[in-house]
Amino acid sequence: QKEVEQNSGPLSVPEGAIASLNCTYSDRGSQSFFWYRQYSGKSPELIMSIYSNGDKEDGRFTAQLNKASQYVSLLIRDSQPSDSATYLCAASLGATNKLIFGTGTLLAVQP
Amino acid sequence: EAQVTQNPRYLITVTGKKLTVTCSQNMNHEYMSWYRQDPGLGLRQIYYSMNVEVTDKGDVPEGYKVSRKEKRNFPLILESPSPNQTSLYFCASSLRLAVNTGELFFGEGSRLTVL
Repeated sequence: QKEVEQNSGPLSVPEGAIASLNCTYSDRGSQSFFWYRQYSGKSPELIMSIYSNGDKEDGRFTAQLNKASQYVSLLIRDSQPSDSATYLCAASLGATNKLIFGTGTLLAVQP
Repeated sequence: EAQVTQNPRYLITVTGKKLTVTCSQNMNHEYMSWYRQDPGLGLRQIYYSMNVEVTDKGDVPEGYKVSRKEKRNFPLILESPSPNQTSLYFCASSLRLAVNTGELFFGEGSRLTVL
């Protein structure tokens, strides 16, 4: 079982819709979770971090964490074509100074 | 401008010919790391460094070497490259030593092809 799992997609949504990206992790000791966005041919950039159960909102982005279910999600409201990218979920390993990345979900926002 | 700079950005080489990918950051970050990114496998950590002269293996260190003689530089060395090292490589740095609490800043990537 991979430590951080994501559906590779592509996830296709129409412009203006809500895009929902999901991630599960296997290490119950994981404390910190991150969403990175990676445009094609570019490097990853951090867009959200979340450390406690519940929702965290930042503009059009909302990260959700459910530690009991070992589940992290990212909601993008009012999706724009410029949101089309691969979204990488990352989780810290509980006892180490490491971030483990998922393989990413490709999001395509259709104009 | 705050950045992580990698060179070369693109390289085609042959099996066994030693090469070095340089990485430099101008943010005075303590932590630096190398990742490789392959389709279906995601980002995997090769080596990381918490400080000058302090380096540690990541998840896929075989076939790679690193050094941290200066805070700003963290070169990745392939002593004898093989085709399975064909990949997209990213250098990253972080202000915080505890990367599970901080942001990783990535370089633009180096696409390496080993024939």
